[in-house]
Amino acid sequence: EVELLESGGKLVQPGGSLRLACAASGFTFNNFGMNYAMTWVRQTPGKGLEWVAEITGDGGSTFYADLVKGRFIISRDNSKDTIYLQMSSLRVEDTARYYCAKTALGVTYPMDVWGQGTMVTVSS
Amino acid sequence: SYILTQPPSVSVAPGQTARITCGGNTIGSKSVHWYQQRPGQAPVLVVYDDSDRPSGIPERFSGSNSGNTATLTISRVEAADEADYYCQVWDSSSDHLIFGGGSKLTVL
Repeated sequence: EVELLESGGKLVQPGGSLRLACAASGFTFNNFGMNYAMTWVRQTPGKGLEWVAEITGDGGSTFYADLVKGRFIISRDNSKDTIYLQMSSLRVEDTARYYCAKTALGVTYPMDVWGQGTMVTVSS
Repeated sequence: SYILTQPPSVSVAPGQTARITCGGNTIGSKSVHWYQQRPGQAPVLVVYDDSDRPSGIPERFSGSNSGNTATLTISRVEAADEADYYCQVWDSSSDHLIFGGGSKLTVL
């Protein structure tokens, strides 16, 4: 079964840092030479989906939402089928459930596999 | 930046057809994807590239895209279809992924 499992979410103080991880199972990031782009999406309880960041299959290009650019870094380790989101200078408004998702191939492709998310709470 | 506009809510009786719109400037020139999110669950892709269905998604789900409006159509609506639905595109001018605000489908 194809799955994504996020981890690392917790309560953190404003201004703090946190690293989220997302591990794949049931598939590999490298499929016959094609690597899947991966995405982080967040959702504040009761609100809509908000794109956070995306990384191409080879990790060579990264893209960020304006609200997190300069504070968050997305990365991947294809040998471990895992992606990461390093978050720093966290703000109360970063409080959300963070989902990772696999795209069908590149950044313009749909997100066809989603994890269950990990909750990040930024509060003093 | 590119904006996608969805109605906050859509209501339909069981067995009827629900249409959820997604408005955006010349959205017809982009590939639109749709996600269903039931309460407490992760999103699920239900339509991609305007009108294609992933395996396992019922034929009752269909999509169209032209001009400034994309539409997700759910035929013969069932109680289990009650969920939030989000449209999504990739905006190549800004290299940003864009979600619509979401539409809550209520089955009366």
